[in-house]
Amino acid sequence: GENVEQHPSTLSVQEGDSAVIKCTYSDSASNYFPWYKQELGKGPQLIIDIRSNVGEKKDQRIAVTLNKTAKHFSLHITETQPEDSAVYFCAARRKFSGGYNKLIFGAGTRLAVHP
Amino acid sequence: DVKVTQSSRYLVKRTGEKVFLECVQDMDHENMFWYRQDPGLGLRLIYFSYDVKMKEKGDIPEGYSVSREKKERFSLILESASTNQTSMYLCASSLRVRTGTDNEQFFGPGTRLTVL
Repeated sequence: GENVEQHPSTLSVQEGDSAVIKCTYSDSASNYFPWYKQELGKGPQLIIDIRSNVGEKKDQRIAVTLNKTAKHFSLHITETQPEDSAVYFCAARRKFSGGYNKLIFGAGTRLAVHP
Repeated sequence: DVKVTQSSRYLVKRTGEKVFLECVQDMDHENMFWYRQDPGLGLRLIYFSYDVKMKEKGDIPEGYSVSREKKERFSLILESASTNQTSMYLCASSLRVRTGTDNEQFFGPGTRLTVL
């Protein structure tokens, strides 16, 4: 069935360095790819998303790239700060029975930014 | 401010007990979701509801049921709790999805359930 693989599972960087998290998806019909950030003790929160008709999207220090041919997408965080420490989830949308959309999530990446 | 609340942050139950997890959203969203979150597995969809009294099975509905009697409230029910249902449970809501649009899911803080 539909699958989203996410790597790495843990990532440790020094403050100011860049961090990259990569995801691959299996369903070529997927056309929407959000990224969620989950801080300790909180629920996930959307930080950026990209649609399949766009190759790249940027929001300040965060950017997402999409390669539809290879079926993979990546999250890039530049100039990392300690407050970027969290678990990050990628997701891909697919059509569900009845015409409803649902998200398939990756396993998550625990990012630690050290001062 | 957008708000999804869950009735308990931590819950400890015994095997065989009936367990109710409650979720309330104040955003007038049509869609509501229940996920479970396990290390190394990400978030997996248990059930979702797109309207009052409507429900659809997700990827892992076995051992669970849901109830949506009011638009703002979505309950997850474990009819007879088992140890393999020990997990973090997350509720989410979103506006109704329309063709060609995608609506952000807003998550609650989660309920960590331990079944002994």
